[in-house]
Amino acid sequence: GAVVSQHPSWVICKSGTSVKIECRSLDFQATTMFWYRQFPKQSLMLMATSNEGSKATYEQGVEKDKFLINHASLTLSTLTVTSAHPEDSSFYICSAHGTSGLTDTQYFGPGTRLTVL
Amino acid sequence: SQQGEEDPQALSIQEGENATMNCSYKTSINNLQWYRQNSGRGLVHLILIRSNEREKHSGRLRVTLDTSKKSSSLLITASRAADTASYFCATDADSWGKLQFGAGTQVVVTP
Repeated sequence: GAVVSQHPSWVICKSGTSVKIECRSLDFQATTMFWYRQFPKQSLMLMATSNEGSKATYEQGVEKDKFLINHASLTLSTLTVTSAHPEDSSFYICSAHGTSGLTDTQYFGPGTRLTVL
Repeated sequence: SQQGEEDPQALSIQEGENATMNCSYKTSINNLQWYRQNSGRGLVHLILIRSNEREKHSGRLRVTLDTSKKSSSLLITASRAADTASYFCATDADSWGKLQFGAGTQVVVTP
């Protein structure tokens, strides 16, 4: 089946620094990728939709200048948490929505746990 | 915002028993999907049911969909300790594949 990877799987950083998280579709091309965040014991909340070659679409309440998304190729999207603060600590999960043959199913990455000290 | 609500929030059963969880949603959908998430891990896709389907089976999983009531149920039969996880329903919010997740049901299966 389709595989989506995320790197890093976990990261600890100091408050005020920026952290980049990568999401890759390993064996298929993903025209659209999605970024979610999940707080402990809660559900996934969609942050933004990332389309290859165009600007990301952010959900209401998500600061686009804080969470920079770049989808430079059909297999890679990156999420950069800028000037991270402790309240940004969360589990960040990406998913990839494939092209023909994979249109109904999203494939999720294993997640990245961000801890901001 | 979350589309779906799930109940129960938590479910504790013994191995061999069946586990049933429900999901309700608010707007019309093209399909509804169920996912499993082990603690601290990513999501595993379990099953997709389209809006014109009423029931679907996959191994020990049975999913029903009632579009008139805007609700779905997931039944896990003959549960195993390895089924311990959180289960989420998700509905497609638009034609681009954007998903709205329910609050999830945390299932604990004890040996």
